[in-house]
Amino acid sequence: QVQLQESGPGLVKPSETLSLTCTVSGYSISSGYHWGWIRQPPGKGLEWIGTVYHGGTTYYNPSLKSRLTVSVDTSKNQFSLRLSSVTAADTAVYSCARAGVTKYHFDYWGQGTLVTVSS
Amino acid sequence: QSALTQPPSASGSPGQSVTISCTGTSSDVGGYNYVSWYQQHPGKAPKLMIYEVSKRPSGVPDRFSGSKSGNTASLTVSGLQAEDEADYYCSSYAGSNNLVFGTGTKVTVL
Repeated sequence: QVQLQESGPGLVKPSETLSLTCTVSGYSISSGYHWGWIRQPPGKGLEWIGTVYHGGTTYYNPSLKSRLTVSVDTSKNQFSLRLSSVTAADTAVYSCARAGVTKYHFDYWGQGTLVTVSS
Repeated sequence: QSALTQPPSASGSPGQSVTISCTGTSSDVGGYNYVSWYQQHPGKAPKLMIYEVSKRPSGVPDRFSGSKSGNTASLTVSGLQAEDEADYYCSSYAGSNNLVFGTGTKVTVL
């Protein structure tokens, strides 16, 4: 069974960089599939952040692209998110997920981790 | 890219059917057969219910069905059960390797 677990600081200061890691178990990232990040501000809807392929190819939400880096580390079976110059608007539950074969839907999700941007 | 439009709420009695709409444009919902639907209970991770407009992942009851007409996709839950009470989100491929989610619909079982 594929399992994903997010980890990283729960509190980030404004203007700093938000960094999260997703550890995958039950499946080897290097075997294939795309892997993504999605966020949900408190009480609001879902927003796609970005997706990475095991080979390193990335796809980003245009509204976040200038501040975003998504990368994969197949040796650790992990993929990561870095979002720079954060503001309070970036406060959200951040979830990692595995994209399906067509990479346009997510079939396995992590539990999500709340990241608060505040001084 | 703008969020897809969903009604804020929908409701039905146990055993009835409820249909949720997801309206986009010809650049997303209308342009591709890559619409998916997610169910989210409070405090839980979203669960994939439908992908590629009408396909059900293994384990999802056949009470859940998806369809699309033009720029609007729909999720129908038949034989409504108490455990179907949740938030539902649609998502669509929007071209150029972009994905967009819907605004979300809260389904209440009366």
